[in-house]
Amino acid sequence: KNEVEQSPQNLTAQEGEFITINCSYSVGISALHWLQQHPGGGIVSLFMLSSGKKKHGRLIATINIQEKHSSLHITASHPRDSAVYICAVRSLGNTPLVFGKGTRLSVIA
Amino acid sequence: DAGITQSPRHKVTETGTPVTLRCHQTENHRYMYWYRQDPGHGLRLIHYSYGVKDTDKGEVSDGYSVSRSKTEDFLLTLESATSSQTSVYFCAISVETGRSIQYFGAGTRLSVL
Repeated sequence: KNEVEQSPQNLTAQEGEFITINCSYSVGISALHWLQQHPGGGIVSLFMLSSGKKKHGRLIATINIQEKHSSLHITASHPRDSAVYICAVRSLGNTPLVFGKGTRLSVIA
Repeated sequence: DAGITQSPRHKVTETGTPVTLRCHQTENHRYMYWYRQDPGHGLRLIHYSYGVKDTDKGEVSDGYSVSRSKTEDFLLTLESATSSQTSVYFCAISVETGRSIQYFGAGTRLSVL
């Protein structure tokens, strides 16, 4: 079973700071997902990637397949970015996603 | 919520009683999932379905059963609820497993007393 580790577990940042959240996994994958869970509990998908980098607004996700590592970056952070960010991976083969425990981000104005 | 409805949204029940949670989708997606979310754990897969009457177990399936008699509905049943099944339950849907975006329902908060 793929083990997914996220770091840090908790992160507090000042508004405007550049934020990085890391995700590492133990065995080869075919896809990696980043999701966001807001304080109200709803979960939304941010990115799905299998190589390289994707960007959406102030969010950037990168993945290094050889290093088994992905990062989620938030530029010019804002209090509305406060949420839990979750990494999930699909191992090689037709298997369901395995999720990390999440990183809780608080952005203070 | 991408056409996904979970019901009920909140439920309090007693140990030993049966409980059924419903997930309804309007997207006609093939895959449907039930997860539980607990403090200190990531989302954990209970069961999933890859078509009508086609289901498979996930990581934490003990004590749970599922049924999918129609594409749009995926039911999760706790035959005899226990306090360890107190959790937040999420339903999700996707076009295929793992290599397409998953869309999540709003969640059901279940308390077993």
